[in-house]
Amino acid sequence: DQQVKQNSPSLSVQEGRISILNCDYTNSMFDYFLWYKKYPAEGPTFLISISSIKDKNEDGRFTVFLNKSAKHLSLHIVPSQPGDSAVYFCAALEYGNKLVFGAGTILRVKS
Amino acid sequence: DAMVIQNPRYQVTQFGKPVTLSCSQTLNHNVMYWYQQKSSQAPKLLFHYYDKDFNNEADTPDNFQSRRPNTSFCFLDIRSPGLGDAAMYLCATSKTGVTSTDTQYFGPGTRLTVL
Repeated sequence: DQQVKQNSPSLSVQEGRISILNCDYTNSMFDYFLWYKKYPAEGPTFLISISSIKDKNEDGRFTVFLNKSAKHLSLHIVPSQPGDSAVYFCAALEYGNKLVFGAGTILRVKS
Repeated sequence: DAMVIQNPRYQVTQFGKPVTLSCSQTLNHNVMYWYQQKSSQAPKLLFHYYDKDFNNEADTPDNFQSRRPNTSFCFLDIRSPGLGDAAMYLCATSKTGVTSTDTQYFGPGTRLTVL
């Protein structure tokens, strides 16, 4: 049973526009959420995180929004750049338990 | 400078022939993890070491074993690989426990092919 779902396998965006990557979860006990970014031939690298006590966290061009009632989070990238083209993994953590990943979304930013 | 190194990057083995994947880290982290990621699926935690303490996930097949001879190195042994074990194997480290919010640092992975 997938507890963390990224329903869009891929997303294509024009350079300079906003990229919105979505993630849904089923476990209401998750209290910490992360996004990882993965380039080809490299391992995933941490991008941004958010605690369940917040609904927004911003770091430069990257903002993560959390809607606990909908069990949904999203990653916004503004403006999108070709170097942002990668696979983005959503992950969630329940205190006292292990990190659970989604299957990833491939983002392509076209120049 | 590479912080989590995995060797080899690509491994081909035959059905039933034991194979060992290697991971090393320069971060001096306490925790080392092994994940299995099949095509278009989420990375799935197989097991982890907190220092020398081994923690197996309940649904990890017995076919998968691990060794951590020292802080820097961790090995994944697949005793009798089946076709279903073909996947990307990711090693990761973190400073503190698996349940903490500490960032996990990943290696580039080893792509295992089983013929």
